[in-house]
Amino acid sequence: QVQLQESGPGLVKPSETLSLTCTVSGGSISQYYWSWIRQPPGAGLEWIGYIYNRGRANKYNPSLESRVTISLDMSKSQISLEFNSVTAADTAVYYCARSNSWINWFDPWGRGTLVIVSS
Amino acid sequence: ENVLTQSPGTLSLSPGERATLSCRASQSVVGNYLAWYQQKPGQAPRILIYGASDRATGIPDRFSASGSGTDFTLTINRLEPEDFAVYHCQQYGSAPWTFGQGTKVEIK
Repeated sequence: QVQLQESGPGLVKPSETLSLTCTVSGGSISQYYWSWIRQPPGAGLEWIGYIYNRGRANKYNPSLESRVTISLDMSKSQISLEFNSVTAADTAVYYCARSNSWINWFDPWGRGTLVIVSS
Repeated sequence: ENVLTQSPGTLSLSPGERATLSCRASQSVVGNYLAWYQQKPGQAPRILIYGASDRATGIPDRFSASGSGTDFTLTINRLEPEDFAVYHCQQYGSAPWTFGQGTKVEIK
């Protein structure tokens, strides 16, 4: 059974870069779409973007695209998120999730990791 | 982007009752590609329904969903204690994929 585990610093200073990693175990990382999704405290879910197949296909939420990079390390079965110039509004639980195609629901999800942006 | 609005924000019900949750889209959902997720405190969302009405593997048949175009409904018959949670709808028919703000089903 495939499992996803997010990791990264829980605290980031404003204007700095947020870097997170999602490690996939129990299944192949290839031929799937891997997304990052976030949920600010008390708010709804927001899709950040996805990556597919060694970065040959990326798609980002236009509202975040200028600050986001998602990459994939096949050798480590990891998906990475870099989010630059963060502000307090980027405080959220960040999830990684898998899709079978680019038009598909998310399943499974990781347990999520809380990132707080504060000085 | 296709904005999803869920109602009500909170639903207060007793075990054994029926819950009816609504998800309305600002534009027609392409292909009726709409999913419902259940999220419990401290946990990741879990897929319940995809394609507007298809139950995901292992989801009990007390969960049902319907709808098309811009109006979608999730129904939970005979609420069990483990069903009290937050429910999110999500459209995946047109990018960017978007979610509703969630409906909390709480014990009355």
